[in-house]
Amino acid sequence: DAGVIQSPRHEVTEMGQEVTLRCKPISGHDYLFWYRQTMMRGLELLIYFNNNVPIDDSGMPEDRFSAKMPNASFSTLKIQPSEPRDSAVYFCASSWMENTEAFFGQGTRLTVV
Amino acid sequence: QQQVKQSPQSLIVQKGGISIINCAYENTAFDYFPWYQQFPGKGPALLIAIRPDVSEKKEGRFTISFNKSAKQFSLHIMDSQPGDSATYFCAPRYSGGGADGLTFGKGTHLIIQP
Repeated sequence: DAGVIQSPRHEVTEMGQEVTLRCKPISGHDYLFWYRQTMMRGLELLIYFNNNVPIDDSGMPEDRFSAKMPNASFSTLKIQPSEPRDSAVYFCASSWMENTEAFFGQGTRLTVV
Repeated sequence: QQQVKQSPQSLIVQKGGISIINCAYENTAFDYFPWYQQFPGKGPALLIAIRPDVSEKKEGRFTISFNKSAKQFSLHIMDSQPGDSATYFCAPRYSGGGADGLTFGKGTHLIIQP
């Protein structure tokens, strides 16, 4: 398996534009997590899914953020409209169970200007 | 309530020395205690992990020590090397706790001086 695959690796967009981040988890993993990393706040859990169903989205900062998992091999995180304070590195991770090793993707570095 | 407190925030160690990073937690439901290592431009990757049925686990130069009564676990890096320079995160876990069971420590930026 190629590991968790995220795209794009880098995204630069203008304030107000829609941004869509994509993730392909490791096959067979039942859990998928979206994290945001900044210098100030560290690694924050935004939302996670179990068997494609959202379990906890309490970390999603506001209604501008939404996430979907239409099938076991694909998830998206959408920001609409984007703002400069959304600039961060967004990681997707997957795992077999909640309390087992989480495998992270390479991340998407988002810059909103 | 902060679930996980990691210390120190940053650490500078001479090559060949011992690096020690600590993690204190509140929730006694945690049953999986991993340390992740992150290099610049990369995602975190599991370095070593322990379950609460043992008090210590060693893998090469890396050791986890677990103190259940004190609700603490630590990472020891023996014979620290420049290649160990990275950010380290503790990330205790338990199943069924929602986001409360899935937190990361704030991270420790480790620099090994040659």
